[in-house]
Amino acid sequence: AAGVIQSPRHLIKEKRETATLKCYPIPRHDTVYWYQQGPGQDPQFLISFYEKMQSDKGSIPDRFSAQQFSDYHSELNMSSLELGDSALYFCASSNRQIAYGYTFGSGTRLTVV
Amino acid sequence: TQLLEQSPQFLSIQEGENLTVYCNSSSVFSSLQWYRQEPGEGPVLLVTVVTGGEVKKLKRLTFQFGDARKDSSLHITAAQPGDTGLYLCAGDQTGANNLFFGTGTRLTVIP
Repeated sequence: AAGVIQSPRHLIKEKRETATLKCYPIPRHDTVYWYQQGPGQDPQFLISFYEKMQSDKGSIPDRFSAQQFSDYHSELNMSSLELGDSALYFCASSNRQIAYGYTFGSGTRLTVV
Repeated sequence: TQLLEQSPQFLSIQEGENLTVYCNSSSVFSSLQWYRQEPGEGPVLLVTVVTGGEVKKLKRLTFQFGDARKDSSLHITAAQPGDTGLYLCAGDQTGANNLFFGTGTRLTVIP
């Protein structure tokens, strides 16, 4: 079965650079979520999209933005990167009409040096 | 402020022992989900409980949703080394399009 695909798997950037993370949700899933997970921490919600419209916003810094495209894939854009942005970034998708529960991707490990 | 508190935070047990992980909140959730996460990977959904008092079994894992839909427990019988991992509860609130994750329980099962 198709899963949530994230790219790249690993990314190393320098301070003040920009990064773009991509997420391809499971077909027929109408909602996409972005989470940030620091070392030893639980995932923190950043932002979600329902049917390509921003749905909910969590602790997403103003330096970050995200969007969902017509093909339902989503991108998280991160600018003016800081050392503290180093974390695992997960994308998840769901469709409440099909089942409860989110399906998470394998994540992008971002390291800012 | 952490909406969902899990206990214990760390648990190390011998193979064959039983254990229970608790997930507590003062808030009501429309559903509660349990995930297991391996290092460097995304959380994998184990179960969703929706109805207050609901009990679900998944082989040696038993999940219960509190009557008031504010808390949940995960009981593992005869733990095996393959059960080792980070267990996360996550709550879903009506009107919110995101999951609130618990603080996590890191389980180590020693052979």
